[in-house]
Amino acid sequence: NAGVTQTPKFRVLKTGQSMTLLCAQDMNHEYMYWYRQDPGMGLRLIHYSVGEGTTAKGEVPDGYNVSRLKKQNFLLGLESAAPSQTSVYFCASRPAGRTSGIPSSYNEQFFGPGTRLTVL
Amino acid sequence: KQEVTQIPAALSVPEGENLVLNCSFTDSAIYNLQWFRQDPGKGLTSLLLIQSSQREQTSGRLNASLDKSSGRSTLYIAASQPGDSATYLCAVTGNQFYFGTGTSLTVIP
Repeated sequence: NAGVTQTPKFRVLKTGQSMTLLCAQDMNHEYMYWYRQDPGMGLRLIHYSVGEGTTAKGEVPDGYNVSRLKKQNFLLGLESAAPSQTSVYFCASRPAGRTSGIPSSYNEQFFGPGTRLTVL
Repeated sequence: KQEVTQIPAALSVPEGENLVLNCSFTDSAIYNLQWFRQDPGKGLTSLLLIQSSQREQTSGRLNASLDKSSGRSTLYIAASQPGDSATYLCAVTGNQFYFGTGTSLTVIP
């Protein structure tokens, strides 16, 4: 059981290049999330998904696109990278449905190890 | 918009000391509050999850409390060890997840 994994771990891009970050989870979780972490700003939600084939915008969605074609994978795309997108990106997942009688909104998140992206 | 604040931003203590980390939030309409540990260059490891209906949770030397009405949570670490050195983040779950900026803890041997 690998939990939440992210690919790649590190990447350097030039301004205007595109790339896709992959998040995979093997826990059969319905919900998946993409965050970025910047110094002094904490983690901010970019996009999230409540199930296969569905995505929604978070707090800072501009400049990013996502897809959830398979339940276990959540992809984050940068179509035209900008230096402002230099950050550490974290993926997280959590289960839906009731756990021990507690609604899904109360379930804890599990995080991947992060992807460090630098845009020059 | 929910705002989560953690004070202090950095803390340095000698080994063996008990310590308290603080987390405050502005909107009390939350489902739960989660404390995480983050080691340099690593992801987040969940330490404790407190449901909105609970007052505290304990795991080993860690105890987290929640006072939803006042918008506060504390993480108490007993008998601190050098291995506890890390950044500690709190996150509240409302309509979305909101994270604090963290407290960087250094435990000096």
